[in-house]
Amino acid sequence: GAVVSQHPSRVICKSGTSVKIECRSLDFQATTMFWYRQFPKQSLMLMATSNEGSKATYEQGVEKDKFLINHASLTLSTLTVTSAHPEDSSFYICSARVVGQSNEKLFFGSGTQLSVL
Amino acid sequence: GDSVTQMEGPVTLSEEAFLTINCTYTATGYPSLFWYVQYPGEGLQLLLKATKADDKGSNKGFEATYRKETTSFHLEKGSVQVSDSAVYFCALSGAGGTSYGKLTFGQGTILTVHP
Repeated sequence: GAVVSQHPSRVICKSGTSVKIECRSLDFQATTMFWYRQFPKQSLMLMATSNEGSKATYEQGVEKDKFLINHASLTLSTLTVTSAHPEDSSFYICSARVVGQSNEKLFFGSGTQLSVL
Repeated sequence: GDSVTQMEGPVTLSEEAFLTINCTYTATGYPSLFWYVQYPGEGLQLLLKATKADDKGSNKGFEATYRKETTSFHLEKGSVQVSDSAVYFCALSGAGGTSYGKLTFGQGTILTVHP
């Protein structure tokens, strides 16, 4: 089946540094990419939606200048956490939407655990 | 706004036991309902779904019925296996094609099945 490759799976960084997370669709073209995050014991929360070649749409309460999303091609989307702080420590996961002939499908990456010291 | 409340875990069962993971939701209109499963080190995978009231989704021995009257979508399996150990997420997608993919998730339930 279709695969979304997400890297890195785990990253530890110092406060104030920036971290880039990549999601690649390996054998299909993703028209839309969704980015979620999950704090411990809480739900996965949608952060933003990005369509290839256009600016991302952020959910209420998500800082667009802090969480930079780039979706420059149909197979690659990146999330950059700028000037990370300990409160940004979370599990981040992407999902790609594919529009087929008869239906739409979603495929998820395996997630990135970010720890900011 | 939309919300999903999922049974808290972790859930620990012996092989061949009966599994129920409760899920209730709050949403306007007629959402689609999903169960996703995440095995260790892998991405979330769609386990089953139901798109309208009284629909039953089923896959790999798991079942869930869309109950509009109780706003529930409980996951069940009659006889679990060790290989079912994973994290299970209940989710909904708002009505309308443009909102497909914008999922509202429950917090996930960790299931561990012992031999």
